[in-house]
Amino acid sequence: AQRVTQPEKLLSVFKGAPVELKCNYSYSGSPELFWYVQYSRQRLQLLLRHISRESIKGFTADLNKGETSFHLKKPFAQEEDSAMYYCVLRGTGFQKLVFGTGTRLLVSP
Amino acid sequence: DAGVTQSPTHLIKTRGQQVTLRCSPKSGHDTVSWYQQALGQGPQFIFQYYEEEERQRGNFPDRFSGHQFPNYSSELNVNALLLGDSALYLCASSVTSSEETQYFGPGTRLLVL
Repeated sequence: AQRVTQPEKLLSVFKGAPVELKCNYSYSGSPELFWYVQYSRQRLQLLLRHISRESIKGFTADLNKGETSFHLKKPFAQEEDSAMYYCVLRGTGFQKLVFGTGTRLLVSP
Repeated sequence: DAGVTQSPTHLIKTRGQQVTLRCSPKSGHDTVSWYQQALGQGPQFIFQYYEEEERQRGNFPDRFSGHQFPNYSSELNVNALLLGDSALYLCASSVTSSEETQYFGPGTRLLVL
């Protein structure tokens, strides 16, 4: 079965603090992992994908197959990072996306 | 390119009625997927259309059906609406032959009374 778990519904931090949004997955094969973000009044959009291994808006995420995790990190949070973040899995050979329940990040001044 | 577009933006129906939601994919995309997002939940995969056929289906009853047209646009139909069908319905488009992931539309919010 394919499953994505995001244990935190809400994460509240102050501007400049480090951020880590947790994501664990369950999949028997080699999945593709993504982070999607939804800013207020905007549509869901791709933030980053594990195969790119790039930093977007200061965020990074490393796929840890041993721990089946794909945590999203940023060293210094900004107020504009406040949004809903979804960890997403795509299994091999399928285009179906499996979403976690999402974590709302609130960055206060 | 306006990206993925969906209509209508909002819809109110009563139990037992039928509803049709529409989606136009991003230019150059040939695959359309539909998701249901209940309040406080992540999107759940309903089904995916490619070459005018349903290619993959999630765990949704037969009351949920769809169609893809030759221009790649798509419709989602829900029959015999239940209160539990109230949700945001998202359409996403992609290119089957590409490793690129899916682009989402703004969604249609359906309220069933």
